[in-house]
Amino acid sequence: AQRVTQPEKLLSVFKGAPVELKCNYSYSGSPELFWYVQYSRQRLQLLLRHISRESIKGFTADLNKGETSFHLKKPFAQEEDSAMYYCALSGVGSGAGSYQLTFGKGTKLSVIP
Amino acid sequence: EPEVTQTPSHQVTQMGQEVILRCVPISNHLYFYWYRQILGQKVEFLVSFYNNEISEKSEIFDDQFSVERPDGSNFTLKIRSTKLEDSAMYFCASRSDNYVYGYTFGSGTRLTVV
Repeated sequence: AQRVTQPEKLLSVFKGAPVELKCNYSYSGSPELFWYVQYSRQRLQLLLRHISRESIKGFTADLNKGETSFHLKKPFAQEEDSAMYYCALSGVGSGAGSYQLTFGKGTKLSVIP
Repeated sequence: EPEVTQTPSHQVTQMGQEVILRCVPISNHLYFYWYRQILGQKVEFLVSFYNNEISEKSEIFDDQFSVERPDGSNFTLKIRSTKLEDSAMYFCASRSDNYVYGYTFGSGTRLTVV
C-alpha cells in the first residue's frame, strides 16, 4: 500500500524566513513524487516532480530514499507563497496506465508579512 | 498552456437525484482520472480511465458511480443516486503517456447534496 504523510496541518512563517514543508512516504517499489500547490480555492497545480530535479518559484525538493522523505524547501518565503501544499506519490496500479496519485492531507502555508 | 476544463463549477442537488459532472481533458492526453476532496480532508483517488475503459478504481467508487467518455472529448462522472456524504469537491485530471510529467487537474466541481 502507498501512503503519504504530511505531519503539519498548518505552517506559519515570516516573510523572508526559510520554509520547509515535510513529506514522508511509504511505498514498496520505486516511487515517483510530486508537490502540488492549491491557491485559495483554485485548481491543483503541479509545483515540482522529483524526477526532473527542478526549482520552481524558488522551491526545491530532494528525494531521500533512506528516510523516505520528499521535503519541500524554500530559502526565503514570500507572501504569495501562502497556499495549500500537497505532497503526492505515484505508483503503478493494477490496471494498465493507472499510476494513480496518492495525496497527503496537505499543509497550509501562511506567510506573515 | 492547455487546461482541463470542468463544468459546472458548483452543483447543488437533492439527495437521491442523479448528477453528472463534466470534464474536458487536454486533447492529446490518454489517461483520465477523477479525484474527490471532502471539505477539510485530503484529495482521494476515485477512478482512472484509459483506452475507453476503467483501469483502476478505489473502494469509494461503488455501483453508484460510473464514468464515460461519450464523444472523444468529454469525460463524465455520474453519481446515480446522490447521498449527503457525496458532498465534496470533484477534480478531473488527465495526463499524457509519460506519467513523470505529472497530471493536469481541472479547477473542480463543488457538489453539494441537500
